[in-house]
Amino acid sequence: NAGVTQTPKFQVLKTGQSMTLQCAQDMNHNSMYWYRQDPGMGLRLIYYSASEGTTDKGEVPNGYNVSRLNKREFSLRLESAAPSQTSVYFCASTSPGGELFFGEGSRLTVL
Amino acid sequence: GEDVEQSLFLSVREGDSSVINCTYTDSSSTYLYWYKQEPGAGLQLLTYIFSNMDMKQDQRLTVLLNKKDKHLSLRIADTQTGDSAIYFCAETAFTGGGNKLTFGTGTQLKVEL
Repeated sequence: NAGVTQTPKFQVLKTGQSMTLQCAQDMNHNSMYWYRQDPGMGLRLIYYSASEGTTDKGEVPNGYNVSRLNKREFSLRLESAAPSQTSVYFCASTSPGGELFFGEGSRLTVL
Repeated sequence: GEDVEQSLFLSVREGDSSVINCTYTDSSSTYLYWYKQEPGAGLQLLTYIFSNMDMKQDQRLTVLLNKKDKHLSLRIADTQTGDSAIYFCAETAFTGGGNKLTFGTGTQLKVEL
């Protein structure tokens, strides 16, 4: 089973560039999430999608947009990247029992 | 809002027990979790405890919950080098809007020979 798949795994951007992080899950989960992980700050929720067709802001949504393209896919877009968005980004989905399944992460550096 | 706190580092000798502590503020928490993150990987669920339980044991892992003090701990017996990782405490209160977890900062566990 692939589980949660994120692409790309690594990306370097210049300030002001845009990019989209892709995420797909093959577990038929309803809810999907985007987190960012920064040293000493744990994981912080950027956006989530409780079900297909809905998205909501998390703790740190500024500078990001999301699209729940279908039940499988949930993308995160940076329209104009800033150095403060240098981070490791994790996509996750939730099983009916509430367990979060994480992707392997996407390491983004903004110069 | 919710807040979850952990100490950042813990170092133990192989074979000793490790105890990782966590405090949280949300009194409406229903589930509390421990996740493990190995280098370069995502988080994996280790164990969880429902808020009406005091203790849960799963092989080498023991979770203790003191709901009055909002304190959660994870004890790893006979710690091995393979246990070296970052351990995250997380809590959630189901709101019907998806299972939004609040994570602690993570505790880096280093196991020394």
